[in-house]
Amino acid sequence: DQQVKQNSPSLSVQEGRISILNCDYTNSMFDYFLWYKKYPAEGPTFLISISSIKDKNEDGRFTVFLNKSAKHLSLHIVPSQPGDSAVYFCAANGGSSNTGKLIFGQGTTLQVKP
Amino acid sequence: KAGVTQTPRYLIKTRGQQVTLSCSPISGHRSVSWYQQTPGQGLQFLFEYFSETQRNKGNFPGRFSGRQFSNSRSEMNVSTLELGDSALYLCASSDGEGYGEKLFFGSGTQLSVL
Repeated sequence: DQQVKQNSPSLSVQEGRISILNCDYTNSMFDYFLWYKKYPAEGPTFLISISSIKDKNEDGRFTVFLNKSAKHLSLHIVPSQPGDSAVYFCAANGGSSNTGKLIFGQGTTLQVKP
Repeated sequence: KAGVTQTPRYLIKTRGQQVTLSCSPISGHRSVSWYQQTPGQGLQFLFEYFSETQRNKGNFPGRFSGRQFSNSRSEMNVSTLELGDSALYLCASSDGEGYGEKLFFGSGTQLSVL
């Protein structure tokens, strides 16, 4: 049972345009969400997070939107740069008994074309 | 600050052997989590240690075990290796103050079981 889903395995955008990566979750106990970027054979690098008490969080070119009623979040990258090409993972966490435990989606491979 | 350090970077073992992986967290971080990444299952939580105690555990067989030392360094052990244990094993650290904090990942140990 996949509790965090990234339904688009890949996404290709032109440099300078917006990249939108989507993530859906099923567990209503999740209350903290994170996005990580990953290159092959390396560990994930934290990008941005959002608590369930918010619906938007921005950090530079990265913005995460959370729609709790739809159990959906998205990551917007504006403007997209070739260096953003990587695999992006959505992750969720919830409950004080789940310390250190993130539930990851399957990832979306983003390609930004020059 | 130095990041999360994992050793060795690559490891080749044969079925039936056992293996020990090592992780040094970011200085000051008291929580260490372990994850397994495979192409089929994605990133999956193994366990989390805090102050030398296992605080959280994922759904892996007992062949997977870990421990944490007083300096917060952690080791993970896999006994009686199976072909399906071939994966990238990632260690992550955090200050461990509670769920909802971001995890910082190491580059991982790539384990190949032949």
